[in-house]
Amino acid sequence: GAVVSQHPSRVICKSGTSVKIECRSLDFQATTMFWYRQFPKQSLMLMATSNEGSKATYEQGVEKDKFLINHASLTLSTLTVTSAHPEDSSFYICSARSGPNQPQHFGDGTRLSIL
Amino acid sequence: LAKTTQPISMDSYEGQEVNITCSHNNIATNDYITWYQQFPSQGPRFIIQGYKTKVTNEVASLFIPADRKSSTLSLPRVSLSDTAVYYCLVVGNTGGFKTIFGAGTRLFVKA
Repeated sequence: GAVVSQHPSRVICKSGTSVKIECRSLDFQATTMFWYRQFPKQSLMLMATSNEGSKATYEQGVEKDKFLINHASLTLSTLTVTSAHPEDSSFYICSARSGPNQPQHFGDGTRLSIL
Repeated sequence: LAKTTQPISMDSYEGQEVNITCSHNNIATNDYITWYQQFPSQGPRFIIQGYKTKVTNEVASLFIPADRKSSTLSLPRVSLSDTAVYYCLVVGNTGGFKTIFGAGTRLFVKA
């Protein structure tokens, strides 16, 4: 149980392209979803927290107009990297949980490469 | 949010028990402790979660002393496939239940 699916697993695209990443909780309802990015050999950095039906809360330093997050249902959240540039290349990981005292379950990440 | 401190890296041999200790001196009353495992190019995988004393599941045990200022993840009889980064996190309502990752412990299991 507690499976989180993230799609796509890898994206390679040209600079200026917008890229959408989907995160789905397959067997539970996710009241909260989180988005992280991770650079090589580094830890995960929390970008934003999204609750179903409300606006995402972004961490300090994360541009909300650059990283658009939508959490339209209890099983789906999307992250759109708008007008991506090479410095946006990273490993993006989502997670979901069913309640505040429940553990987060993570997707397998999306490797984004902007040429 | 309670800050966590773990060893940067640890080495072990196959078949040994590995204990990774995490310090969280300013843990709040309602915070709980969670451990994750991460392999390269994958998302973290939940291992175990606890509030106090001892918790055991099919893959690990978590020991939490009475003062809760530290916790120890115990992996019995590790194998090569346990080579990964292990993260200790403290989560609670004072931090909005957000999961903030520290640097983690890189465990390398040798044959």
